Amino acid sequence: DTGVSQNPRHKITKRGQNVTFRCDPISEHNRLYWYRQTLGQGPEFLTYFQNEAQLEKSRLLSDRFSAERPKGSFSTLEIQRTEQGDSAMYLCASSLPGHYNEQFFGPGTRLTVL
Amino acid sequence: KQEVTQIPAALSVPEGENLVLNCSFTDSAIYNLQWFRQDPGKGLTSLLLIQSSQREQTSGRLNASLDKSSGRSTLYIAASQPGDSATYLCAVLDSNYQLIWGAGTKLIIKP
Repeated sequence: DTGVSQNPRHKITKRGQNVTFRCDPISEHNRLYWYRQTLGQGPEFLTYFQNEAQLEKSRLLSDRFSAERPKGSFSTLEIQRTEQGDSAMYLCASSLPGHYNEQFFGPGTRLTVL
Repeated sequence: KQEVTQIPAALSVPEGENLVLNCSFTDSAIYNLQWFRQDPGKGLTSLLLIQSSQREQTSGRLNASLDKSSGRSTLYIAASQPGDSATYLCAVLDSNYQLIWGAGTKLIIKP
């Protein structure tokens, strides 16, 4: 399968714990994006990388959130001291500049904070 | 600030009908517009992408149009089937390469 993959698919955690999600983009896609989607809403942009450089960060990305893409391949999104309001679907996408700028999405990681 | 609105929020129609979903956006400075499908609790499936220079795209029973000057797009679904039941989301790629999303239209096709 050469699509975008995300792990884990589901995560249940207790309030105050730290969680980390992983995204593997389509190979050769140098842009990688993170979005968050809460129930009944459209996704909201969190951050994006071009290669290993984090170029944009939304105001939604509080200091409890950190994203990395150390070698310009896979990316991780960490949430520290989780809160119930962090419960959402976290979506990752990748794209290849010039190829219509089309973003291809992974299946998402559903986070539930108890 | 770009804002995307989808109307209606929900739609229920009998099987076999043709239907139109609407999407509007406030800033015409976009690279493209995409329509996605999302099944309950699942990820996103890209249906159609229209470049800013294009007027429409077609795939099977789906046809999407784009009028950038008026900030509108429509998704036309012909001969609807129960398997078309899902939430349909539109998103525009803005000048910062961020996708700005509508809240979606929840579609139910009744057998």
